[in-house]
Amino acid sequence: QKEVEQNSGPLSVPEGAIASLNCTYSDRVSQSFFWYRQYSGKSPELIMSIYSNGDKEDGRFTAQLNKASQYVSLLIRDSQPSDSATYLCAPWRSGNTGKLIFGQGTTLQVKP
Amino acid sequence: GAVVSQHPSWVICKSGTSVKIECRSLDFQATTMFWYRQFPKQSLMLMATSNEGSKATYEQGVEKDKFLINHASLTLSTLTVTSAHPEDSSFYICSAREGQGSAFFGQGTRLTVV
Repeated sequence: QKEVEQNSGPLSVPEGAIASLNCTYSDRVSQSFFWYRQYSGKSPELIMSIYSNGDKEDGRFTAQLNKASQYVSLLIRDSQPSDSATYLCAPWRSGNTGKLIFGQGTTLQVKP
Repeated sequence: GAVVSQHPSWVICKSGTSVKIECRSLDFQATTMFWYRQFPKQSLMLMATSNEGSKATYEQGVEKDKFLINHASLTLSTLTVTSAHPEDSSFYICSAREGQGSAFFGQGTRLTVV
């Protein structure tokens, strides 16, 4: 089983719709979870971090975490063409040997 | 968010030479730094994790003698690709983290070995 699994997509949504991106992880001791956005040819940029079960909202973005199910998601409301990118999920395994492992990412296409 | 500066943004080198890439955290102390490699249309592959003042921990399959990582201070880590070959051509990205906070990425370095 891969440490982090995401549907590679592409996920295509019309402008203004809600985009739902999902991620499952295998390490039960992961404490923190991060969503990054990566435009083609660029390095990733941090969008959201979530540490507790439940929802966390930041503008048009909502991260949802369910540690029992080892599942984290990202909702993008009112999707814009500028949101078209690859979205990467990364759980963090805490401790001195902690490291940040990424899934393959989900490519989102928002069509005008 | 915090700023991580990576230099150079792109480099072309001859086969057999070495290339050094720098990663600096500009406004925070990076207790942990990560180095990734990304091939076209593929995900980020973690190469190694380094903590300030300690030896880097390399991922399985990454040659530590070929990819030398130094994290001598809380604001600077370097990756040296030694005896580079065309198959080492890739996008190399560093990431830095302060304590248990979020990790921020440098701009990346596109290495082409000819």
